[in-house]
Amino acid sequence: GENVEQHPSTLSVQEGDSAVIKCTYSDSASNYFPWYKQELGKGPQLIIDIRSNVGEKKDQRIAVTLNKTAKHFSLHITETQPEDSAVYFCAAPVSGTYKYIFGTGTRLKVLA
Amino acid sequence: SAVISQKPSRDICQRGTSLTIQCQVDSQVTMMFWYRQQPGQSLTLIATANQGSEATYESGFVIDKFPISRPNLTFSTLTVSNMSPEDSSIYLCSGVQGMDTEAFFGQGTRLTVV
Repeated sequence: GENVEQHPSTLSVQEGDSAVIKCTYSDSASNYFPWYKQELGKGPQLIIDIRSNVGEKKDQRIAVTLNKTAKHFSLHITETQPEDSAVYFCAAPVSGTYKYIFGTGTRLKVLA
Repeated sequence: SAVISQKPSRDICQRGTSLTIQCQVDSQVTMMFWYRQQPGQSLTLIATANQGSEATYESGFVIDKFPISRPNLTFSTLTVSNMSPEDSSIYLCSGVQGMDTEAFFGQGTRLTVV
């Protein structure tokens, strides 16, 4: 079955710097990789996702890269701002189902 | 995208009692799920809520403890039964409209059992 590992567990950056969070997955049949942001007291919200037919996707300050050969994908946040402080989760689908396996989460702190 | 309204947002309950959490989606979703999230931890899938039939539970979770209903494509409930302090956690519902698509989440229910 699918297994997802996420690193680092915590990350502190200065405002304006970049942040990178990495995830690895085990099921080579997986084709869809979302990233979620969870703020305190709220449910996770999708911020960006990528499908296996592309290697990179960008949305303003956020980008996701995918290396299918190595089975890892990364979230990149540039020009970080205090409001980027949150917990970020990667996820990968359980093949043939509607279910997802979530990474262990990364607590990002952007220091002003 | 779909919006999921979950209630209650938080509750403090006595041990031995039960709490029912409700989720209402503003549009039809194919599948709904229930997760548990311990503070500072990841999401653990409890079960898949199947419309019109019994839920499918993950290893370590049983129907007697976490009965789930899903009477239609937009509504589901999770009951936490015979609660103990170990059940204190955040419970989240989620819905998806298709395979390999965005999962939408409710805002969560923070449960404290005393």
